[in-house]
Amino acid sequence: GESVGLHLPTLSVQEGDNSIINCAYSNSASDYFIWYKQESGKGPQFIIDIRSNMDKRQGQRVTVLLNKTVKHLSLQIAATQPGDSAVYFCAENQYNQGGKLIFGQGTELSVKP
Amino acid sequence: GAVVSQHPSWVICKSGTSVKIECRSLDFQATTMFWYRQFPKQSLMLMATSNEGSKATYEQGVEKDKFLINHASLTLSTLTVTSAHPEDSSFYICSAGEQGASYGYTFGSGTRLTVV
Repeated sequence: GESVGLHLPTLSVQEGDNSIINCAYSNSASDYFIWYKQESGKGPQFIIDIRSNMDKRQGQRVTVLLNKTVKHLSLQIAATQPGDSAVYFCAENQYNQGGKLIFGQGTELSVKP
Repeated sequence: GAVVSQHPSWVICKSGTSVKIECRSLDFQATTMFWYRQFPKQSLMLMATSNEGSKATYEQGVEKDKFLINHASLTLSTLTVTSAHPEDSSFYICSAGEQGASYGYTFGSGTRLTVV
């Protein structure tokens, strides 16, 4: 189902370490997934996306993994920096629901210097 | 890249009044725009899908008479919170999908609404 009324889990990492943020999605018909970064008081910012015909995609310092069998996404951030501190959301494009973009629960990443 | 402008960035209004929030796609045409609401420390909740030239599609539990959405052009959608109450205080965010594009959406910077 959709994420409603749940408070954000947090992940605290040391600067320079790798971060892994996980997300479960709800609709097996979703064909496109996006990770967003949201800083306090701002709108979500696109990080990386992946289509359902792929299981891995890499960007600059970020990698997204998709496991359709268990409906799971992960975002890996290499060499995490203080500027990476934010809330991270996965979103699924529900193709069979008119292309709605539904957000997951989110994870608050805190990077310690 | 695609830019979505949302205005105002924050607004304070009295209970019972109405507030209009604008969402504009600045450099592309958006046939579809989405409106989200976000409470502190929570995820974005989809309120409605706004399609240019037609009625908006509201998510279950969202009162369409309270949250009026108008998408009169390919670059502008508005959300009007009518008869606002303190429980409507929230962060409202719009996003727009580029016409013909098969990839994700661009988000506005959000509007912080406080009803006193």
